[in-house]
Amino acid sequence: QQQVKQSPQSLIVQKGGIPIINCAYENTAFDYFPWYQQFPGKGPALLIAIRPDVSEKKEGRFTISFNKSAKQFSLHIMDSQPGDSATYFCAACNAGGTSYGKLTFGQGTILTVHP
Amino acid sequence: DAGITQSPRHKVTETGTPVTLRCHQTENHRYMYWYRQDPGHGLRLIHYSYGVKDTDKGEVSDGYSVSRSKTEDFLLTLESATSSQTSVYFCAISRSDGPPKYFGPGTRLTVT
Repeated sequence: QQQVKQSPQSLIVQKGGIPIINCAYENTAFDYFPWYQQFPGKGPALLIAIRPDVSEKKEGRFTISFNKSAKQFSLHIMDSQPGDSATYFCAACNAGGTSYGKLTFGQGTILTVHP
Repeated sequence: DAGITQSPRHKVTETGTPVTLRCHQTENHRYMYWYRQDPGHGLRLIHYSYGVKDTDKGEVSDGYSVSRSKTEDFLLTLESATSSQTSVYFCAISRSDGPPKYFGPGTRLTVT
């Protein structure tokens, strides 16, 4: 059972564009939503994360928007660069104080940013 | 990769053979995790540990066992490997107050 659905599967943008990756979840017990970035041949790395008590969080060029009522959240990458080309995963968990690492991941989005 | 190493990095084995993957950390983090990554599925949690000798099952634990006898080492064992266990296996670590910041470099396992 896929509890976090991610779209699109792949995305191609030009340098400077604003790619948007969307995720939807089903489990209302989820209360922590991180995004991970993975380069080929490497393990994922934490990019940014949000809790459902805020609707938006920005870190540098990366922004998460969160819609609790719709059970949806999205990642926006401002002024995208070729170096942002990677696979992006959304994830969710019921942190409950000690369960941050018990993550349910989306299927991943392969982002390509052309120069 | 932030103090996480995995061994071996690549392994090819035959169906029915036992396989053990090792994750070693130098960060002294309490929590350790094993995930598998397959196309179309993202990453899925196999087992995790919240302390020495304290482990629990994840989403896809059937056919896998784990052990943690030291803070720094977390072993994943496939008792009798099957072709469905062909995958890339990632180890991750975290403190109790946040998610894993980094995953290890991964082990690519092929079961023929």
